This record gives sequence, structure tokens and C-alpha cells, in this order.
Amino acid sequence: AQSVSQHNHHVILSEAASLELGCNYSYGGTVNLFWYVQYPGQHLQLLLKYFSGDPLVKGIKGFEAEFIKSKFSFNLRKPSVQWSDTAEYFCAVKGNNNDMRFGAGTRLTVKP
Amino acid sequence: GAVVSQHPSWVICKSGTSVKIECRSLDFQATTMFWYRQFPKQSLMLMATSNEGSKATYEQGVEKDKFLINHASLTLSTLTVTSAHPEDSSFYICSATPGTMAYEQYFGPGTRLTVT
Repeated sequence: AQSVSQHNHHVILSEAASLELGCNYSYGGTVNLFWYVQYPGQHLQLLLKYFSGDPLVKGIKGFEAEFIKSKFSFNLRKPSVQWSDTAEYFCAVKGNNNDMRFGAGTRLTVKP
Repeated sequence: GAVVSQHPSWVICKSGTSVKIECRSLDFQATTMFWYRQFPKQSLMLMATSNEGSKATYEQGVEKDKFLINHASLTLSTLTVTSAHPEDSSFYICSATPGTMAYEQYFGPGTRLTVT
């Protein structure tokens, strides 16, 4: 089964700073990759996804992620964060078995 | 489109009682539904996968007799926590996959269960 690791447990940034959240996965087959965001008190929302094609994926709210197959990584980036980006971010991997595995999550706090 | 609802959003029950949580796909048919459990400040842990009309597949360590899953229709799956105990208190989240799009899961808002 696939597994996912997120390197950062809690990231604190000031507004306008650049963001990169790490995500590495372990799975030998073809994967679908996702980043979800969970704002305080709200349910999971899909930020972006990678199925195939261009490894640089653009999502909502200015987020993007790059799939690097050789590194088994799918890091999330945003050039300039806002206070409203404060949330929990989850990387997820889905393999051929159709079930999704989540990373432990990274809490992002953006100071105004 | 692709909205998933859960009911109730919050439930408190006494130890030893059973609680049923519903998960509905509102605007699509969900061939497959997933149940997750999320502890405070932790990630989602997959509990089981259910396909409409068949028995659920439980993850290792999840008691199938305690967490009963029924997926009787293409728009409804239920999770029943039987003989609940305080350690079952958690946030339960379901997701659903449209029948024609096997890749993407749509998540419900979750149900917070507190067992006293």
C-alpha cells in the first residue's frame, strides 16, 4: 500500500512570504496525487491534483505543485501567502487500489 | 456539483449506545464511498471502503463488528458505531467517488462524535 510523508508539521510565515510544503510518497505503481486544504472548522477542499501530463500543476487560490517522479515528491508552493491561507494542508496519494492515503498534514499559520 | 453531505454534523451519545452516521452524495451517483476517522490535529485515517451493494472492505485494525457500514444505494452509505465507548469519540468523514470518475473523491463535512 502507498504511504505519504509530509516533512513540516507546523509552518509559520508572514504575509507575502513564499511557501513550499514538502510531500513524499512511497508507492511503486502509477499514482494520482492530491493536495487538500482544511480551513478551521471546515471540511476538506481540493486544492489541486495530478493525474498525468504536465508535472507542474496549478490549482485554486494561486497554489501550484510539482510532481517529480524521480524523487517521489509532490511539493506544494505559493509565491506569496495571505492571512486567509492559514489552514491545515494534506497531501494525499491514490494508487491503483482506488483508496487514498493521507499525509499527517502541515499546519500553516500566516501572520498578518 | 459533486456535493457530499453528512448527517448529523455533531452527535453526543452515552457509552454503550449505538450511533448511525449518514453520508449522501447529493448530485451524483457514488459507486464507491470511503469512511475516514480524524483525531484532533491529525490526518485522516481510512477506515473502510464500501461499494454499493456489496460488503465493505475494512482496513487493518478496524473492527468490522463495531463499525458497521452499509452502502445500500448509489447515494447513501451509513456508518453505525455500535456499543460506543469514549475512545470512539472522533471526527468521522466520508467521501464518495462518482461512478464515471474513479480518480477523484469528494468529501463530506464530517461528523463529530462525542461519547460520554
